[in-house]
Amino acid sequence: NAGVTQTPKFRVLKTGQSMTLLCAQDMNHEYMYWYRQDPGMGLRLIHYSVGEGTTAKGEVPDGYNVSRLKKQNFLLGLESAAPSQTSVYFCASSWDSYTEAFFGQGTRLTVV
Amino acid sequence: AQKVTQAQTEISVVEKEDVTLDCVYETRDTTYYLFWYKQPPSGELVFLIRRNSFDEQNEISGRYSWNFQKSTSSFNFTITASQVVDSAVYFCALSPFYGGATNKLIFGTGTLLAVQP
Repeated sequence: NAGVTQTPKFRVLKTGQSMTLLCAQDMNHEYMYWYRQDPGMGLRLIHYSVGEGTTAKGEVPDGYNVSRLKKQNFLLGLESAAPSQTSVYFCASSWDSYTEAFFGQGTRLTVV
Repeated sequence: AQKVTQAQTEISVVEKEDVTLDCVYETRDTTYYLFWYKQPPSGELVFLIRRNSFDEQNEISGRYSWNFQKSTSSFNFTITASQVVDSAVYFCALSPFYGGATNKLIFGTGTLLAVQP
């Protein structure tokens, strides 16, 4: 059982570069989330999706874009990376917002 | 608006001590769910428990117990006879129950628990 898989696991970007983080789940979940984890800040919601073709802003959406073209995939894009986006990014999926969420292993992104 | 507050940033205990992790939440919803997740040093996030707003009974699972009090908007987590393997960051989280595009799972800032041998 793969569960939730994030690609890549590590990445170093230069300021101004762009990249896409991929999240794939094989549990047929409707809900998918992208969080960032920073020291002392906990897990902050960037964007989320309540189903294929839908996306919504979370607590800290600025500087990020997302797409959910297929139910099993949720992509997080950084158009022009900034050092403030250095963080660990977690993807999660669930049947609904009030059911258990399953998390990926995380992506450690460093922007220099 | 939803908000989860975990005022304890770090807690350090000696093995076999009992420890309580506090969680206070804010929501305008009458129906909602509360969660606890564990993040061990390896980094993955592990689901521990889910509780709905209509069920205020305390729950016990082995050395773990949870105290939900709607009157104080708190959902506290107690570990009895702590062990070194309990060392982790613990997150409390909140979600409304009804369907809709505004549903989202919001986390607190986490409490780092260090259990010393």
